[in-house]
Amino acid sequence: EVQLLESGGDWVQPGGSLRLSCAASGFSFSNYAMTWVRQAPGKGLEWVSAISGRGGSTYYADSVKGRFTISRDNSRDTLYLQMNSLRAEDTAVYYCAKGPFYDASAYSDYWGQGTLVTVSS
Amino acid sequence: DIQMTQSPSSLSASVGDRVTITCRASRSINSYLNWYQQKPGKAPKLLIYAASSLQSGVPSRFSGSGSGTDFTLTISILQPEDFATYYCQQSYNTPLTFGGGTKVEMK
Repeated sequence: EVQLLESGGDWVQPGGSLRLSCAASGFSFSNYAMTWVRQAPGKGLEWVSAISGRGGSTYYADSVKGRFTISRDNSRDTLYLQMNSLRAEDTAVYYCAKGPFYDASAYSDYWGQGTLVTVSS
Repeated sequence: DIQMTQSPSSLSASVGDRVTITCRASRSINSYLNWYQQKPGKAPKLLIYAASSLQSGVPSRFSGSGSGTDFTLTISILQPEDFATYYCQQSYNTPLTFGGGTKVEMK
């Protein structure tokens, strides 16, 4: 059974940093692309970033480019999102999601339950 | 970036109704269109990928159609567990983008 468990969400002040983690199990992690999607309170879904199976290709939304870094440790079956220079508009539930194959630019077939990031002074 | 526009943003329906939600892309995305269902406080769930392919385990009352710029999600016979918000997403290129969502409410 595919399981994705996010962690690392917290309250942080504007300008601060946070690292999210997503522990994966139930599938061969390195064979699949992974994605972060966020949802601000009461709002819709926003695609944030994606990474290919071995991490060689990464993609970002314009809203986070230069501030967020996606990475993965295939030896630990774990996905990361390093978030720097956080802004109030980054406040959201962050979901990690699995892709259906190696390519990062595809839909997400399994999702974690999300972790809440609150950016506020 | 490709803009995705869903309509309506909300609708009221009764159990047993046929429900149709539309999604329009700002330019052609071939069949790179996916549909998700999200219930309050829960993660999204993939329903349809590649415009018309039903994800494993999803009931056959859900169907998708379209190509190019215009797409449709249809629920043939609405069930109580189908009251939720539905999102379309294009995966033609990055950044992948979602529609604004359609909330299906009980009439």
